[in-house]
Amino acid sequence: AQKITQTQPGMFVQEKEAVTLDCTYDTSDPSYGLFWYKQPSSGEMIFLIYQGSYDQQNATEGRYSLNFQKARKSANLVISASQLGDSAMYFCAMSSGSGNTGKLIFGQGTTLQVKP
Amino acid sequence: DSGVTQTPKHLITATGQRVTLRCSPRSGDLSVYWYQQSLDQGLQFLIQYYNGEERAKGNILERFSAQQFPDLHSELNLSSLELGDSALYFCASSPRPGLPGSFDEQYFGPGTRLTVT
Repeated sequence: AQKITQTQPGMFVQEKEAVTLDCTYDTSDPSYGLFWYKQPSSGEMIFLIYQGSYDQQNATEGRYSLNFQKARKSANLVISASQLGDSAMYFCAMSSGSGNTGKLIFGQGTTLQVKP
Repeated sequence: DSGVTQTPKHLITATGQRVTLRCSPRSGDLSVYWYQQSLDQGLQFLIQYYNGEERAKGNILERFSAQQFPDLHSELNLSSLELGDSALYFCASSPRPGLPGSFDEQYFGPGTRLTVT
């Protein structure tokens, strides 16, 4: 069965510091995609970054990078130089399978609070 | 702004009633996904349509149904509502249907917050 696990319900980080949000996944499919989304208090879901299972390099998008460790089945999100606007809930998600339809399976989320 | 629109933003209704949630995907996107976000169940995939055809079903109750119209907008119908149906319902869209080995990011609408009293 496919599963995403985020073990950190809540995290604090000081403004301008880097923070890592953990995500582990479980799938028996060799081909899959991993995604991170941000959900601010306003409620919308914002796409941040994507990593494909066959990608050779870790994905980066501005201050976001994905620390992809395939053997460990982990896909941690690293946010550098945290800003107050980064305070939100963050979800790790996966899409997988040879019969892939694109549907996303989400983790439970991690709430990040950035302290000034 | 993701380009995905959802109406209404908020909906308050009574148990036993029926409601319709509407979604317009991003321009050019043919695939529409519906998700439910609740405190106890988290974010769950409900159903997917691609170019008017149902493509995948998730944990969608029989009381719920959806369709995608020729202009690609989609509607999620929830009937015989129960208190437990109170949740945030998201629509998301992507250009392609989801293909083996191919994974598109999905862009989410702002959601419809449904409260059943």
